Amino acid sequence: SQQGEEDPQALSIQEGENATMNCSYKTSINNLQWYRQNSGRGLVHLILIRSNEREKHSGRLRVTLDTSKKSSSLLITASRAADTASYFCATRKGGSEKLVFGKGTKLTVNP
Amino acid sequence: ETGVTQTPRHLVMGMTNKKSLKCEQHLGHNAMYWYKQSAKKPLELMFVYNFKEQTENNSVPSRFSPECPNSSHLFLHLHTLQPEDSALYLCASSQEVSTNTEAFFGQGTRLTVV
Repeated sequence: SQQGEEDPQALSIQEGENATMNCSYKTSINNLQWYRQNSGRGLVHLILIRSNEREKHSGRLRVTLDTSKKSSSLLITASRAADTASYFCATRKGGSEKLVFGKGTKLTVNP
Repeated sequence: ETGVTQTPRHLVMGMTNKKSLKCEQHLGHNAMYWYKQSAKKPLELMFVYNFKEQTENNSVPSRFSPECPNSSHLFLHLHTLQPEDSALYLCASSQEVSTNTEAFFGQGTRLTVV
């Protein structure tokens, strides 16, 4: 299975701290994407990193990709209570129509 | 607002009912998707449509029947569902299916089968 697996499954931190979530996958990919989901709602795309990229930034988000280890990490710096949500990685194999999601990391940021 | 609208937001139906979920996107995208999200399970891809043609059916039971009349609209027709079909059904769209593009999701339909 190409499915990504996020780690940890749940993470609880204090406001202002950094949150790091990891994703591992099994097959070669074209790109890896991170999404956020507030409870019971749709997913919102955060960032996409291509297989030939190693790091990408967007505001307080930093994503790294290590294709040799088939892993990615999402770092949220200076977290806020509003960052509380579930975060998913999704992978797309080259030429594939499937965007395959992991089970997600549930992040709780305590005020 | 992601540009992908799903209706209804909530649906309760009996096992003998027939209902339909609707998805509409105003983004000019050519690919549309149905996903199922159950508690404690990863999102499951159900169907993929590219330029109105179904290109993926991920071994979905026939009690789920998709319809894509045009690139902007996607339906999921439901009949004789089971209680285990209760889940959040998410529609998504993307510019194309096999490029470096992200998917835009609707808010989902929370389905409860009683």
